Amino acid sequence: AQTVTQSQPEMSVQEAETVTLSCTYDTSESNYYLFWYKQPPSRQMILVIRQEAYKQQNATENRFSVNFQKAAKSFSLKISDSQLGDTAMYFCAFMKPSASGGYQKVTFGIGTKLQVIP
Amino acid sequence: NAGVMQNPRHLVRRRGQEARLRCSPMKGHSHVYWYRQLPEEGLKFMVYLQKENIIDESGMPKERFSAEFPKEGPSILRIQQVVRGDSAAYFCASQPGTSGRRDPPYFGPGTRLLVL
Repeated sequence: AQTVTQSQPEMSVQEAETVTLSCTYDTSESNYYLFWYKQPPSRQMILVIRQEAYKQQNATENRFSVNFQKAAKSFSLKISDSQLGDTAMYFCAFMKPSASGGYQKVTFGIGTKLQVIP
Repeated sequence: NAGVMQNPRHLVRRRGQEARLRCSPMKGHSHVYWYRQLPEEGLKFMVYLQKENIIDESGMPKERFSAEFPKEGPSILRIQQVVRGDSAAYFCASQPGTSGRRDPPYFGPGTRLLVL
């Protein structure tokens, strides 16, 4: 079974600074997908960024980027120029496609609570 | 294209009552997940369905919980004889199914269930 580990329960960062959230996972698969979701106080789950394991290039979305280390099974999220609106829970997630072309369940880490300080 | 819809957004039940949570996936999506989030915790997988079929229910409690996704209409998560420990946020997410694109699941706003 796949597991996703987020070892930082809480983090804080000064506004405009950069912060990195860590995530490691365990799988024997070679092809899979990784995601970071954001859950602000409204509790809506928002997809932040995605990475496909067969792509070596790290994904970026504006101020959000990842450091994907496949051999180390590491998938960290870097938030640059942190803004107050980035305050939220951040969840790392793993998904692998099934042989039939569909999907298997998405497994989430327990989350990291990020506080951006003005 | 409307996103994933869940209703009700808030649901209050007394112990022993039934709770029915509804989820309408995004247009064109045929696969639905249900997740539960207890206060101050992460998301726990409950069940994964496609229309008229349960793909994976390994996260569903053995008793009192059931889920369906009929050919027509929304997916329903049903909790019978609710207890206080069922109080949580229940999230639905949908995916397109067997398409060439590996889309991530898109989440609804959640239903907050409070059992008194």
